[in-house]
Amino acid sequence: AQTVTQSQPEMSVQEAETVTLSCTYDTSENNYYLFWYKQPPSRQMILVIRQEAYKQQNATENRFSVNFQKAAKSFSLKISDSQLGDTAMYFCAFMNGSNYKLTFGKGTLLTVNP
Amino acid sequence: NAGVTQTPKFQVLKTGQSMTLQCAQDMNHEYMSWYRQDPGMGLRLIHYSVGAGITDQGEVPNGYNVSRSTTEDFPLRLLSAAPSQTSVYFCASSYSSRESQYFGAGTRLSVL
Repeated sequence: AQTVTQSQPEMSVQEAETVTLSCTYDTSENNYYLFWYKQPPSRQMILVIRQEAYKQQNATENRFSVNFQKAAKSFSLKISDSQLGDTAMYFCAFMNGSNYKLTFGKGTLLTVNP
Repeated sequence: NAGVTQTPKFQVLKTGQSMTLQCAQDMNHEYMSWYRQDPGMGLRLIHYSVGAGITDQGEVPNGYNVSRSTTEDFPLRLLSAAPSQTSVYFCASSYSSRESQYFGAGTRLSVL
């Protein structure tokens, strides 16, 4: 079974600064997908970014980028120019390319301070 | 487009009662899934479906049943509610199993 570990239960950052959230995973699969989801206080789950394991290039979506290290099984999320609206719980997730089951980490609560 | 619609938003049950959590999507997505979210646990997969007529178990399927008679709907049934099923339930869908999933707003369920 796959496991996803987010080692930082809580983090905080000043507005306009950069923050990196960590995620590691354990799998024997070679075909898989990785995601970061954001859950603001509204409780809605929102996709932040997606990465296919076969792609070496790191995914980027505006102020959000990932550092995907396949050999190290690491998938960190960098948020640049942090905004107050980035305050949320962030979940790292792994999808097995064989059975398409999505496994989530326990989340990191990010607070952006003014 | 309404996206993924979950009903009800809140529900209180007594132990032993049954109920169905509804999930509907209007995006013609093939893949649908149910998760539960408990404090400190992240989201855990209950059941999923890769298309109409096809369902499979996730990580925590016990106590829950699903069916997928149409592409649009994927209801989750609790046959005999237990306090351990108190949780927030999310339904999600995607065009295919490889794609990013869209989530509903969630159902907060309390079992007394």
